[in-house]
Amino acid sequence: EDQVTQSPEALRLQEGESSSLNCSYTVSGLRGLFWYRQDPGKGPEFLFTLYSAGEEKEKERLKATLTKKESFLHITAPKPEDSATYLCASNTGNQFYFGTGTSLTVIP
Amino acid sequence: GAVVSQHPSRVICKSGTSVKIECRSLDFQATTMFWYRQFPKKSLMLMATSNEGSKATYEQGVEKDKFLINHASLTLSTLTVTSAHPEDSSFYICSARDYVQETQYFGPGTRLLVL
Repeated sequence: EDQVTQSPEALRLQEGESSSLNCSYTVSGLRGLFWYRQDPGKGPEFLFTLYSAGEEKEKERLKATLTKKESFLHITAPKPEDSATYLCASNTGNQFYFGTGTSLTVIP
Repeated sequence: GAVVSQHPSRVICKSGTSVKIECRSLDFQATTMFWYRQFPKKSLMLMATSNEGSKATYEQGVEKDKFLINHASLTLSTLTVTSAHPEDSSFYICSARDYVQETQYFGPGTRLLVL
C-alpha cells in the first residue's frame, strides 16, 4: 500500500538547536518528493521537490535530502520564525500522498 | 514559485445557503486542481480532483451533490458548498498542479463558518 509517514508528530527545539524531520515513503514509481511548510490558518507553502535518491536542496536554514526509502528535512540553528507544521508528500504521477505533518516549535 | 489565489479568504453564512469558493492559478495553467478540507490540527483531506473540461473525481465519502466542483478554464476552479450546514464549517484549501514541474501549489485557504 502506498503511503507516507512523518515523524516525529511534534518537535520542540531551543533556538539554535539543529534537528531533522523524517518522511518515510512506500510508494511505487516515485516521481517526486515534496516538502511544504504550513502556518496556522494558511495554505501550505511549497519548499522543495526532490526527484532522485542522493539529491539535496537547501533554502536558508533548511536542507532536504532523499534516499530510496525516506527524506529528511534538516533544520540548522532554527529560529522561532521557523515554527510551523512541515508536510511531505510523494507523487506517483497518478496521485499525491501526504503525510500527517510534523509540528515544529522553536523556543526563544 | 507559482501563485495560487483563493477567494474569499473567510466566509460566514447561514445554514441552508450555498457558498462558492474560487481557486485561481495566477501565473501558470493548471489542467488539474485539487480541493482539500482541513480540520484543526489535522492534515489535509483530499476531497476531489478537478480536471479542466471534465467532471471532477470525488474521494470516497465526499458527496458530489453537496460539494459541486467546476473547472471551466485552465486557471479557475470553483467549489460550491450547497445547502451548507454547521458541520460543513472547515478550512478549505485548493491546489493547482504545474505539470512542467510536477508540483502542487496551494492557495491560502478559505475559512467557512456556517451558523
